[in-house]
Amino acid sequence: EAQVTQNPRYLITVTGKKLTVTCSQNMNHEYMSWYRQDPGLGLRQIYYSMNVEVTDKGDVPEGYKVSRKEKRNFPLILESPSPNQTSLYFCASSLGWNTEAFFGQGTRLTVV
Amino acid sequence: GQQLNQSPQSMFIQEGEDVSMNCTSSSIFNTWLWYKQEPGEGPVLLIALYKAGELTSNGRLTAQFGITRKDSFLNISASIPSDVGIYFCAGRGADAGTASKLTFGTGTRLQVTL
Repeated sequence: EAQVTQNPRYLITVTGKKLTVTCSQNMNHEYMSWYRQDPGLGLRQIYYSMNVEVTDKGDVPEGYKVSRKEKRNFPLILESPSPNQTSLYFCASSLGWNTEAFFGQGTRLTVV
Repeated sequence: GQQLNQSPQSMFIQEGEDVSMNCTSSSIFNTWLWYKQEPGEGPVLLIALYKAGELTSNGRLTAQFGITRKDSFLNISASIPSDVGIYFCAGRGADAGTASKLTFGTGTRLQVTL
């Protein structure tokens, strides 16, 4: 089944403790991206990747890092999480930069 | 950055009614997408629009790419309880800096009563 898989689905952590949210897609898509969803703000893009080893900042990249060492994986790294990064995070992938994006099920992160 | 204004923010309608929602952009878009999000799930693509003036249907859903390229509309006919969810518009800009980024509207929360 074609899908985008994120892990974990839920995570509660403390301020400053490094964490990684994984994202994997099995559709051989070139384009992958991360979004955060906050009430009243819709989805905002954090980082995106056009292909392996090619990443770029989205609209809200501060406090996040990404890497794209293989086509199927696009992990989101929070080196020192802060409470304002408490949010619902979505990974998405698409065949190309201008085609439809398919979303994972989301990761609800709480930083205390 | 680009901004998308989506309205209305929420709608409470009765089963069987038609629904309309729209998005407007501060700049020209080359692509408009409409997504639906249900509780605990990621957004799911409903309709994709790639040309100004394009009108596309998906069952009871119809969406249009505005001819100014700065707006898009989604209509749902004869609503049913399973239409409940949050509907998002999303678009890609026309210039090199914005074409590869998908900008989302703030969503329209739809509630359907029996």
